[in-house]
Amino acid sequence: DTEVTQTPKHLVMGMTNKKSLKCEQHMGHRAMYWYKQKAKKPPELMFVYSYEKLSINESVPSRFSPECPNSSHLFLHLHTLQPEDSALYLCASSQEGQYGYTFGSGTRLTVV
Amino acid sequence: QKEVEQNSGPLSVPEGAIASLNCTYSDRGSQSFFWYRQYSGKSPELIMSIYSNGDKEDGRFTAQLNKASQYVSLLIRDSQPSDSATYLCAVNGVAAGNKLTFGGGTRVLVKP
Repeated sequence: DTEVTQTPKHLVMGMTNKKSLKCEQHMGHRAMYWYKQKAKKPPELMFVYSYEKLSINESVPSRFSPECPNSSHLFLHLHTLQPEDSALYLCASSQEGQYGYTFGSGTRLTVV
Repeated sequence: QKEVEQNSGPLSVPEGAIASLNCTYSDRGSQSFFWYRQYSGKSPELIMSIYSNGDKEDGRFTAQLNKASQYVSLLIRDSQPSDSATYLCAVNGVAAGNKLTFGGGTRVLVKP
């Protein structure tokens, strides 16, 4: 299995809703990442998990809450989002060290 | 100065020609360099990785790295309309805490 699977592919949520994005990989990668990408911009790092521990939080607002229950799964819990949070949310994984990341297909989030 | 810089384009290339993309980076401690291809509305796909000075070829793609001059380039030979996409340069550097830093991307248009 050489894929990173993200669900759902599309999500529309109101500003008062609570939702979660899910990411899954079975490549034995021990580092997992959440990125946010706005149109015509490069991916922007949000969180890094290394061996299931949060190692990097790029000053992301607390309305975004990551969770890594095991080495294969990663979640991004969303609550009280703003319309400007609408974006493509990408999950990625990699082996530890200086390796490239494998990205999932992303969740297209629209906040209304 | 941005950490990873690319010309945003668009780079317009006739079908069958060579597309040449450049990327410069600021962290001299960077050790790993990657090129990702991203189609509109899709997630980034890793197409090349390079770790040492010189050229690395994979099919129609050649990555070139010059650490002394702090640049990495990507050549696409025999360009096809299906190569039309945004190409993201990514650098993994010690100064950045061993996380990938992306350039802004170069949009490539291959015209039949």
